[in-house]
Amino acid sequence: QQQVKQSPQSLIVQKGGISIINCAYENTAFDYFPWYQQFPGKGPALLIAIRPDVSEKKEGRFTISFNKSAKQFSLHIMDSQPGDSATYFCAAEVTGNQFYFGTGTSLTVIP
Amino acid sequence: GAVVSQHPSWVICKSGTSVKIECRSLDFQATTMFWYRQFPKQSLMLMATSNEGSKATYEQGVEKDKFLINHASLTLSTLTVTSAHPEDSSFYICSARPGTFGYEQYFGPGTRLTVT
Repeated sequence: QQQVKQSPQSLIVQKGGISIINCAYENTAFDYFPWYQQFPGKGPALLIAIRPDVSEKKEGRFTISFNKSAKQFSLHIMDSQPGDSATYFCAAEVTGNQFYFGTGTSLTVIP
Repeated sequence: GAVVSQHPSWVICKSGTSVKIECRSLDFQATTMFWYRQFPKQSLMLMATSNEGSKATYEQGVEKDKFLINHASLTLSTLTVTSAHPEDSSFYICSARPGTFGYEQYFGPGTRLTVT
């Protein structure tokens, strides 16, 4: 059973546009929600993370929106650039316990 | 800070041989290290969790006798794929956590294993 459901599977965005990736979960015990960026042949790198006591967190062009009641969170990439083309994974964790990854979203930003 | 290295970055071995992959936390002590496996265009699958000085905890379906994990120190964990077969070919990624609770996982760059 997939603990964290991620959509879309792939996404194509024009340069300068907004990329939006969504994740949903069921386990209300999750208390840590990071997003990772992975380039081909590389390990995932932490982009931004949020805990459920806030509804939004912004770091540069990356924003996480968190809806606790809906059990959903999303990543927004503003002013998307070709260099943002990568696979993005959301994840969820009960602190100190197992980490669950989403299925990944392949983002392509076209010039 | 928070750099995790893996060695080798890629390895090709013959079927039936064993391969060891090292994971090192370079600038912090890792209480816990994790080993993941990733198939092309798929998500990361957790294989096992290891804490320094104790036996690794394997996820359901992962053969502990095939994938030997040793977390010998607070900066080094090793994954040995024993009697490798072509179906073991994959991208193996480790991660390390500086503490037990409330700490981020930092991922290594991965090791590409090809078994011929």
